[in-house]
Amino acid sequence: AQSVTQPDIHITVSEGASLELRCNYSYGATPYLFWYVQSPGQGLQLLLKYFSGDTLVQGIKGFEAEFKRSQSSFNLRKPSVHWSDAAEYFCAVGDSGGGADGLTFGKGTHLIIQP
Amino acid sequence: KAGVTQTPRYLIKTRGQQVTLSCSPISGHRSVSWYQQTPGQGLQFLFEYFSETQRNKGNFPGRFSGRQFSNSRSEMNVSTLELGDSALYLCASSYGTSGGDSQYFGPGTRLTVL
Repeated sequence: AQSVTQPDIHITVSEGASLELRCNYSYGATPYLFWYVQSPGQGLQLLLKYFSGDTLVQGIKGFEAEFKRSQSSFNLRKPSVHWSDAAEYFCAVGDSGGGADGLTFGKGTHLIIQP
Repeated sequence: KAGVTQTPRYLIKTRGQQVTLSCSPISGHRSVSWYQQTPGQGLQFLFEYFSETQRNKGNFPGRFSGRQFSNSRSEMNVSTLELGDSALYLCASSYGTSGGDSQYFGPGTRLTVL
């Protein structure tokens, strides 16, 4: 069964500093990988996705993520955070076999931005 | 294009009642998936509908059911509500099945069971 681990429950970063959120996955083949962001009381917004090809993917709001097969990781990065980036971030894995098992999500990382 | 819409946004029910939640996908999307989000269990897959057929179901009791209409709109129903059913229920749509396509989420329905 596939699984996703986000090791950091909370992360505090100063505004303007760089950010890296960690994500490790367990999946039998090359997975489909996603990062979503959720603001309080809202649904999930897709930041970026990896299906195949270039292992460095660019997303919205200045985010990028790098797929590292050898480390089973898909870490999310941003060079300079803004106060509006404070939110909950979820990494998810999908079934690249074309199944319909939905996405498997990590528990999320709560990002706090210090002024 | 309009995004995924869910109605109602908030619901308060009592134990033993039943509830129906509605989801309208992005125009042209054929797949609708439902997820339950709670502080303890996080985001969990409920089921997926594609072209009016349930493709798969997560590990939830039979009290949770759903359907999809010919216009791709979907409803989920929870019967005999329990306190533990209090959660944010999220609907997501995609053009293809959930495994191979990006899913776009609605704002959710916050269900409180008293």
